[in-house]
Amino acid sequence: TQLLEQSPQFLSIQEGENLTVYCNSSSVFSSLQWYRQEPGEGPVLLVTVVTGGEVKKLKRLTFQFGDARKDSSLHITAAQPGDTGLYLCAGAIGYGNKLVFGAGTILRVKS
Amino acid sequence: NAGVTQTPKFQVLKTGQSMTLQCAQDMNHNSMYWYRQDPGMGLRLIYYSASEGTTDKGEVPNGYNVSRLNKREFSLRLESAAPSQTSVYFCAILLRPNYGYTFGSGTRLTVV
Repeated sequence: TQLLEQSPQFLSIQEGENLTVYCNSSSVFSSLQWYRQEPGEGPVLLVTVVTGGEVKKLKRLTFQFGDARKDSSLHITAAQPGDTGLYLCAGAIGYGNKLVFGAGTILRVKS
Repeated sequence: NAGVTQTPKFQVLKTGQSMTLQCAQDMNHNSMYWYRQDPGMGLRLIYYSASEGTTDKGEVPNGYNVSRLNKREFSLRLESAAPSQTSVYFCAILLRPNYGYTFGSGTRLTVV
């Protein structure tokens, strides 16, 4: 059983559409991170959210941490083919020095 | 993925063979990790090391051993490889608590 449930597992959209990826848990995390991974490479950190209710923006990407620090969402506005990849959420447990990962969302943006 | 170097990038083993996956960092961080990534399961923690000379088990440690002889290097050893260990293995370092990891580019291991 995944500690972090990510949805959807797969998303195929047209260029210019908006999308949201969700990451949910029954556990409280000291922080939550989002990574993006391309084939043959390791995950690359996009953002870390620490405070309940926190919202961070990275160009067309908006990340939100739930008020209770159990869930998070990633919203992409006007998706582009370059956004294609595997998106992973990860929650920090312990002293914030160990991560548990969701299973990932494969995003494909078609031009 | 500058700062974390993994070798080899690809490896094929026969069941029962042994091998060591190498990971080295040049960022002088204390905490290092080994994860495996399997389709539909995300990344699962195998072992981690909070500092030189210390190691701890993660979620899926069975069949693996690790060694952290110095601050720079953290190796993962498979003593007797099994097909269930076919996976992509990632080494990571912790930049700082509650901040995030930097990952290596991975080792794709196939056990036949």
